[in-house]
Parts: sequence; structure tokens; C-alpha cells
Amino acid sequence: DAGVTQSPTHLIKTRGQQVTLRCSPKSGHDTVSWYQQALGQGPQFIFQYYEEEERQRGNFPDRFSGHQFPNYSSELNVNALLLGDSALYLCASRFPESGEDTQYFGPGTRLTVL
Amino acid sequence: GNSVTQMEGPVTLSEEAFLTINCTYTATGYPSLFWYVQYPGEGLQLLLKATKADDKGSNKGFEATYRKETTSFHLEKGSVQVSDSAVYFCALSVYNFNKFYFGSGTKLNVKP
Repeated sequence: DAGVTQSPTHLIKTRGQQVTLRCSPKSGHDTVSWYQQALGQGPQFIFQYYEEEERQRGNFPDRFSGHQFPNYSSELNVNALLLGDSALYLCASRFPESGEDTQYFGPGTRLTVL
Repeated sequence: GNSVTQMEGPVTLSEEAFLTINCTYTATGYPSLFWYVQYPGEGLQLLLKATKADDKGSNKGFEATYRKETTSFHLEKGSVQVSDSAVYFCALSVYNFNKFYFGSGTKLNVKP
């Protein structure tokens, strides 16, 4: 049973560029959340996707956007990159209808903005 | 609002020592509480959870009890091992577990 997978593992971009990160949820999971984890900090909720729509959003600017595909995989897009966007980006999935309250996290994508 | 406060690290212990990592929370509604662990270079793994007051979560020798009266969920282990060295995150979730709030993490170093 495959867990949550993310790609790429590492990414280096320069200020002003745009980036796309990808996530495949755990098998059977239909809800995907994205988190930003700055160095030495806990993860901060960016947004959540369910049935291809953004269901909830944290305190992040519109430069952060996402998408969920019919197969439940998801993308996180960040436009006009800033140095402060350098972080580990984590994807998490769950299957609410199962009644299970646990999120399963992927290994993350390390984004460095120069 | 919703937030989690953890004791600052790093925490350095010798092998077989007793571990306590403090976690307190504020929440709207009735939260579920979690401890996640992050090993170097990896994502977060669920360590244990508790979904209502007085519940005790346990896993791999770690325990935490949901204390509503003190709004706390302290992590304990009776005898730590070198392999327990990692960063530990306390987290809460309210309203159908759609959004998790994490503490800033506590780094644990266990020396042989």
C-alpha cells in the first residue's frame, strides 16, 4: 500500500519565479492538505482540497494556489517567489468518510528560493 | 482561536532516562490531540492521538493523556533510546479534522 508521495524532493528557484509541487495521496484517500514548514518551525496549514475544490484555506496570500485532479492527486503552485517562501512543503491525505481522524504525511518537498 | 504551545528544545537526555515534553493548547470547540514525530530528512509520522478528555494515547512506549482541565497533552516515555532522537510536534484538530494546528516542535537528542 503506497503512502503519500511528493515530487520533486528538492527544488531551487530564484525570486520572482513560479513553482509547482506535486502530491499523490495514500491509496483510497480523497482529501489532500498542504502545509508549509519553515526551518525550525511547525507546519502551517496552507489549504485543503476535496472533490477537486478548495475547502479550507489558511493565512496564505493568493500567490499560493492549488488544484486537485480526478484521481485525487494535487498540485501546489506558488507564484512570484519570495525568499521567505523557502521551506519544506508537506502534503497530507486522509479519507474522511472512513471516520478516521488521522492525516498521513508525505516526505515533503524542500524548496529553496535564492 | 486555536493554537498549540510546546516546550522549547533541544532536550538532551541519556539513554534510558525519563522523557517529558510539555504541550498545552487553546481551542474553539472540542479538539482532538496528536503527537507527530519527524526524523531527519523525513515527513511527519503519527505517534499517538487522543480524541476526547481523559483519553490516553500510547504507542512505542510513548504515552500522552488528554487533560481538559489543564488544556494539556504532555508526551512521556519511561526509558528513551538513541533511536528516539527526532523532533516531536504536538498538534490539535477541530471540526472534522480538516485543519491541523501544530506546535513549533521540540527536538530530542538521546545520547548513548
